[in-house]
Amino acid sequence: AQKITQTQPGMFVQEKEAVTLDCTYDTSDQSYGLFWYKQPSSGEMIFLIYQGSYDEQNATEGRYSLNFQKARKSANLVISASQLGDSAMYFCAMRSPLYNQGGKLIFGQGTELSVKP
Amino acid sequence: EAQVTQNPRYLITVTGKKLTVTCSQNMNHEYMSWYRQDPGLGLRQIYYSMNVEVTDKGDVPEGYKVSRKEKRNFPLILESPSPNQTSLYFCASSRDPRAYEQYFGPGTRLTVT
Repeated sequence: AQKITQTQPGMFVQEKEAVTLDCTYDTSDQSYGLFWYKQPSSGEMIFLIYQGSYDEQNATEGRYSLNFQKARKSANLVISASQLGDSAMYFCAMRSPLYNQGGKLIFGQGTELSVKP
Repeated sequence: EAQVTQNPRYLITVTGKKLTVTCSQNMNHEYMSWYRQDPGLGLRQIYYSMNVEVTDKGDVPEGYKVSRKEKRNFPLILESPSPNQTSLYFCASSRDPRAYEQYFGPGTRLTVT
């Protein structure tokens, strides 16, 4: 069965410092996609970054990068130079194959990040 | 502007009173799905649709119905809501299930008393 695990329910980081949010996944499929979403207190889901299982380079999007370690089945999100506006809940997700419920997204439990001034 | 809209955004209702949460997208997307979010559980898929008139169950379909009569709309129906359906609901759409970008609606916070 596919599963996403986020072991950090809550984290604090000082403004302007970098922070790593952990995500491990479990799947027996060779082809899959990994996502990170941000959910601010207003509730909407904001797509941050995507990594395909066959991508050789780690994905980056501005201050976000995904540290993809395939052998360890980890897909940690790194936020560089944290800002107060980064305070939010962060979800790691994996897309299951098409034959499994239409490629649904499987989400972790989330990590609540608080950025301190 | 490309977007997924949901209505209502907030709803408080009573047990057993049928309700519908609407979802509409303006991107001509084939694939749409519904998720519910509960504390400590992340988001879980309720139903999905690969195209018009094609829908199927996700992980937690009990107590819900959906329909896809038009490409742009994918309403979620609770025929007889119960308190355990109190949750935050998201509709999502994408060009196809393999697309890396999935667009989420703003969410509907439902409370069933």
